[in-house]
Amino acid sequence: IAGITQAPTSQILAAGRRMTLRCTQDMRHNAMYWYRQDLGLGLRLIHYSNTAGTTGKGEVPDGYSVSRANTDDFPLTLASAVPSQTSVYFCASSETGGNSPLHFGNGTRLTVT
Amino acid sequence: GQNIDQPTEMTATEGAIVQINCTYQTSGFNGLFWYQQHAGEAPTFLSYNVLDGLEEKGRFSSVLSRSKGYSYLLLKELQMKDSASYLCAVMDSNYQLIWGAGTKLIIKP
Repeated sequence: IAGITQAPTSQILAAGRRMTLRCTQDMRHNAMYWYRQDLGLGLRLIHYSNTAGTTGKGEVPDGYSVSRANTDDFPLTLASAVPSQTSVYFCASSETGGNSPLHFGNGTRLTVT
Repeated sequence: GQNIDQPTEMTATEGAIVQINCTYQTSGFNGLFWYQQHAGEAPTFLSYNVLDGLEEKGRFSSVLSRSKGYSYLLLKELQMKDSASYLCAVMDSNYQLIWGAGTKLIIKP
């Protein structure tokens, strides 16, 4: 079934540890995104990539990094996790960026203790 | 600053009609999206408006007024499965999506 796969589904992480959230899509979409969703707030963009080989910073990029080595994969790395990074993380893709609708993965629930 | 306003929570009765409002103030406008998100799940695309007027998809309709900075989502013949959060998002002049916090819709029998 075509779509976006995120892993892990959930994770409890000690503060200071490094963590990579995985995201893979099989729709051959050019644009990919990482969002975090916190209670009472709208989705906030962390990083994005308009096409393989390029990345950009979103609204809340500090403490996170991404890479886009190929079309399908867009991992998000927390270099040294802090409790404020406790959140639900969604990876999304869209066909062309711009006004194409987003397709979301099922999310990773991360708790930093 | 850029801002999207939606009611935090609404309650409606099964079989009825409900209107969920969204007002926005953004730097430019390149379209407005509505997404549905069931608890613990991913958001899924419902509708897109870029011109004033109505977009209909089955029981769901979305209306846009750019001059008023306003949109609403109309859900007809409500079913229990429509209990979810409804997210409004506006694409600004830089093609960045600005998201509202979402409206949690509770359907009662």
